[in-house]
Amino acid sequence: GQQLNQSPQSMFIQEGEDVSMNCTSSSIFNTWLWYKQDPGEGPVLLIALYKAGELTSNGRLTAQFGITRKDSFLNISASIPSDVGIYFCAGPLTGTASKLTFGTGTRLQVTL
Amino acid sequence: DTAVSQTPKYLVTQMGNDKSIKCEQNLGHDTMYWYKQDSKKFLKIMFSYNNKELIINETVPNRFSPKSPDKAHLNLHINSLELGDSAVYFCASSVQGGPGNTIYFGEGSWLTVV
Repeated sequence: GQQLNQSPQSMFIQEGEDVSMNCTSSSIFNTWLWYKQDPGEGPVLLIALYKAGELTSNGRLTAQFGITRKDSFLNISASIPSDVGIYFCAGPLTGTASKLTFGTGTRLQVTL
Repeated sequence: DTAVSQTPKYLVTQMGNDKSIKCEQNLGHDTMYWYKQDSKKFLKIMFSYNNKELIINETVPNRFSPKSPDKAHLNLHINSLELGDSAVYFCASSVQGGPGNTIYFGEGSWLTVV
C-alpha cells in the first residue's frame, strides 16, 4: 500500500542545533502535512502545505512542499528540549481527502 | 474543554475478552476516525465515519466494530481480543472535505492484551 518514508529515522542533537528531516513518496500528493507527537500524546498538526514549491513557517519550524510533489521537508531552527518527540509527515491520497497516510516518523531527541 | 476525548486512556485485559473504547469530540466536526499506532509508532487508519456513516474501512479484522450513535461520538468495540491487538488507538475528527482538512487527534488509548 501507499507508504511515506521519512528520514532520518531518529536524531540525537544538542540544544541550539538546527534540524532537517524529509519525507518521500512514490506517489504524488497534493497536500503535505507535518504533525508532531509528544510522548504519551496524540499527534498535533504543525504545518500544512497545499502547493508545490510552497515554503511555510510556524515559529522556528519551516516546511517545504517539494517541486515534484513527491517529497516534503521540515526544518527546525535553534532546537530546544520541548522539540523532543516524533515528527510525522502525512498526506491525503488523491480523491480521498478524509484518508490520511502517515509517514514512518522521525524521532527527535534533544540533549542539553 | 478537551476537543477530542477518548476513554479509557489505559486498558490492560486478557486475551479473549471484549472491550470498548469511547470517543467524543466537541468541535462540531462531521468526520471521525480511528487510527492504530503499533509498537514501531506507525500510524494507520482503521475506520472513518462521516455524519454517522461508515466511509472508510481498512483491512481490519471484523472483531473490530465501530459504532457512531451521533456525529460527535465514535466508539470502538473489539471482540475476542488477541495479543496482536496491543497498540495505541487514536480517535480523531475533522471537517469533511477540502484539501488536507486538519485532523485533530485524541490523546490515545493504550491497550495491552496479556
